[in-house]
Amino acid sequence: LAKTTQPISMDSYEGQEVNITCSHNNIATNDYITWYQQFPSQGPRFIIQGYKTKVTNEVASLFIPADRKSSTLSLPRVSLSDTAVYYCLVGNAGNMLTFGGGTRLMVKP
Amino acid sequence: DAGVIQSPRHEVTEMGQEVTLRCKPISGHNSLFWYRQTMMRGLELLIYFNNNVPIDDSGMPEDRFSAKMPNASFSTLKIQPSEPRDSAVYFCASSTRGVQETQYFGPGTRLLVL
Repeated sequence: LAKTTQPISMDSYEGQEVNITCSHNNIATNDYITWYQQFPSQGPRFIIQGYKTKVTNEVASLFIPADRKSSTLSLPRVSLSDTAVYYCLVGNAGNMLTFGGGTRLMVKP
Repeated sequence: DAGVIQSPRHEVTEMGQEVTLRCKPISGHNSLFWYRQTMMRGLELLIYFNNNVPIDDSGMPEDRFSAKMPNASFSTLKIQPSEPRDSAVYFCASSTRGVQETQYFGPGTRLLVL
């Protein structure tokens, strides 16, 4: 299984862009990169998934360099409600996805 | 759709008692997952079903834990006997097909074993 490493915590202010980077040096050829968000007292919620280059949806963007050994989740203009834990997962249909410790994002006014 | 439904939402029990957690996945989803979350260990995958069949239960901590999925719309996670270290939030999630597809999580069951 590809192991992921991400910062334990990050602070930001409202209106700023937040970039959370995840390292996955031993990612396999058929692995996808998926990000989930978890608010307190709730289950994780899917944010975005990608394989290579850039993926964008209404919530976030995901940047994946050519070597795919890392990925960056970008949240544009965060608000207080974006305060949550963000998990980076790497895997494919043939193995289990493992939630690591996640990155605890605190958005301040 | 109501999403993934879990019951009970909260459970307080005494050590040694049997605990049964219930989950109703999203209709049409073929895969179901049970997770446990604690401050110390984070979010751990316990077991994963595909088409009602357990695919991998390597995350189940020990024989006191068992999970069943008798049909496509219902699953249980049972702990017998329960111990204080089992105290955690237990999440159920479902996806259309397998670990690769988006997993939709339920609200969780907060278990406290005294």
